Amino acid sequence: AQSVTQPDIHITVSEGASLELRCNYSYGATPYLFWYVQSPGQGLQLLLKYFSGDTLVQGIKGFEAEFKRSQSSFNLRKPSVHWSDAAEYFCAVGGNNAGNMLTFGGGTRLMVKP
Amino acid sequence: NAGVMQNPRHLVRRRGQEARLRCSPMKGHSHVYWYRQLPEEGLKFMVYLQKENIIDESGMPKERFSAEFPKEGPSILRIQQVVRGDSAAYFCASSPTAMNTEAFFGQGTRLTVV
Repeated sequence: AQSVTQPDIHITVSEGASLELRCNYSYGATPYLFWYVQSPGQGLQLLLKYFSGDTLVQGIKGFEAEFKRSQSSFNLRKPSVHWSDAAEYFCAVGGNNAGNMLTFGGGTRLMVKP
Repeated sequence: NAGVMQNPRHLVRRRGQEARLRCSPMKGHSHVYWYRQLPEEGLKFMVYLQKENIIDESGMPKERFSAEFPKEGPSILRIQQVVRGDSAAYFCASSPTAMNTEAFFGQGTRLTVV
């Protein structure tokens, strides 16, 4: 069965500092990987996705993620965090035999210090 | 092109009542997915529908929950005889195809059972 683990429930960073949110997945076939962001009381916005090809994926708002098959990881990074990045971030996995039936991680809540 | 529309945004029901949640997918999207987000948790897949068909309902509770996506009109998630544990945010997502594409999420319906 597929699963996603986001080991960090809460992360606090200072504005302007770099950010890395961890995501590890378990999936029996070639995974489709996603990062979504959710602001309080809102829906989910897609930051970036990986289906195939280049393992370093660029997304919106200056985010990027790197697919590492050997480590079963898809960590999200941003070189300089802005106060508006404070939100909850979800990693999700789907795939050829699951399509958009996604399995989500538990989320990481990001707080940004001024 | 309007996004995925869910209504109502907030719904309060007394225990034992029925809750009906509506989801209008994006124009041109024939694949609909329902997810549930319990407080402080990630999203859990419930059901995947295509027009007039349930494709996968492996995440649906066996009793009281049903979903449909008729030929005309929105997709409906129906919860009969609601209990306190049904209180959650319910998200709908839609996509134009089953695979190799992202799903777009609605703003969610927040159900509170009192």
